[in-house]
Amino acid sequence: KQEVTQIPAALSVPEGENLVLNCSFTDSAIYNLQWFRQDPGKGLTSLLLIQSSQREQTSGRLNASLDKSSGRSTLYIAASQPGDSATYLCAVSRTTDSWGKFQFGAGTQVVVTP
Amino acid sequence: GAGVSQSPSNKVTEKGKDVELRCDPISGHTALYWYRQSLGQGLEFLIYFQGNSAPDKSGLPSDRFSAERTGGSVSTLTIQRTQQEDSAVYLCASSLGGVVTTNEKLFFGSGTQLSVL
Repeated sequence: KQEVTQIPAALSVPEGENLVLNCSFTDSAIYNLQWFRQDPGKGLTSLLLIQSSQREQTSGRLNASLDKSSGRSTLYIAASQPGDSATYLCAVSRTTDSWGKFQFGAGTQVVVTP
Repeated sequence: GAGVSQSPSNKVTEKGKDVELRCDPISGHTALYWYRQSLGQGLEFLIYFQGNSAPDKSGLPSDRFSAERTGGSVSTLTIQRTQQEDSAVYLCASSLGGVVTTNEKLFFGSGTQLSVL
């Protein structure tokens, strides 16, 4: 069974600091890894998708790395803003499962204070 | 529509009643997913539809749960004889469902908050 762990569970930083969120998974046979953002009372928004053959993916202030062999991914958010306050989740799907069967981490709750 | 639409947004029901939750995916998306999010459990996979292929139902927690997808678009998740442990947010997502699905981002709806009293 794929276990997905996110550390830390919660994080509070002052505005302008860089954020580093970690995700680890136990089975390296994955299709890809996705990072999502969830705002209270809302669904999930996909931020970045890293294919299993890729090492990193970037979008604006966001950068996600993937080390499949060690079962780790890190999401970096540069120059954090109060609007970045949300819960961030990572998810993977194993090649031994159907593509749509994602395993999610429990999330990291981020608060960026002005 | 512009995004994934779910209805109702909130549903309160009594234990033992049946409920139906609806998901309207993004137009043109052939892949559809149901997940549920409950306190202390995180997000759990329920079922995945891809085009005309047989759905992956391996995440449905019991035979009280079933889902249909009519005409390759709208999906309904039905929970029969609801129990208090069914209380959760039920999230639907869709993706293009193209030839290479493994590179596709998922687009989620806002969910249905189900409360079983």
